[in-house]
Amino acid sequence: DQQVKQNSPSLSVQEGRISILNCDYTNSMFDYFLWYKKYPAEGPTFLISISSIKDKNEDGRFTVFLNKSAKHLSLHIVPSQPGDSAVYFCAASDQGGSEKLVFGKGTKLTVNP
Amino acid sequence: GAVVSQHPSRVICKSGTSVKIECRSLDFQATTMFWYRQFPKQSLMLMATSNEGSKATYEQGVEKDKFLINHASLTLSTLTVTSAHPEDSSFYICSAALSGRSYEQYFGPGTRLTVT
Repeated sequence: DQQVKQNSPSLSVQEGRISILNCDYTNSMFDYFLWYKKYPAEGPTFLISISSIKDKNEDGRFTVFLNKSAKHLSLHIVPSQPGDSAVYFCAASDQGGSEKLVFGKGTKLTVNP
Repeated sequence: GAVVSQHPSRVICKSGTSVKIECRSLDFQATTMFWYRQFPKQSLMLMATSNEGSKATYEQGVEKDKFLINHASLTLSTLTVTSAHPEDSSFYICSAALSGRSYEQYFGPGTRLTVT
């Protein structure tokens, strides 16, 4: 049973437009969420995170929104750049519990010039 | 930022042999290190959690006798795939976390294992 779901395996966006990547989770104990970016044959690199006490966190072009009641979070990238093309993984953690990260399957973002 | 290295980046071995993969935290001490496995177009699946100086905790379905993990120091953890088989071919990624902050993990670049 997948506790973290990224239902869109791929997303294609034009350069300069907004990219919105979605993530849903089922475990109500999750209280910390992270987004990672991954290039082929490389390890994931941390992008941005959000604690469950917040509903928004912004860092430059990246903003993560958290809707706890819907168990849904999203990553907004604006403006999108060709260098943003990668696979984006959503991850969740229960800080009060095991603290292990549970990953979604990822969404491959392609930003077209 | 925190840097984690893995060695080797790519390894090809024959079926039945053992392969050791090293994971090092270069500029910080990692109380906890994690080993993941990723199949093509799949999520990162946690294999085991390794704490310095103690036995690793394996996830359900992961054979501890096949995937030996040693966390000998605060900067080094090793994963040994024993008696490798072609189905063990995968991308193995380690991560390291600071004490008390296991939710903030820094990932290594991964190791591509191919068993022929």
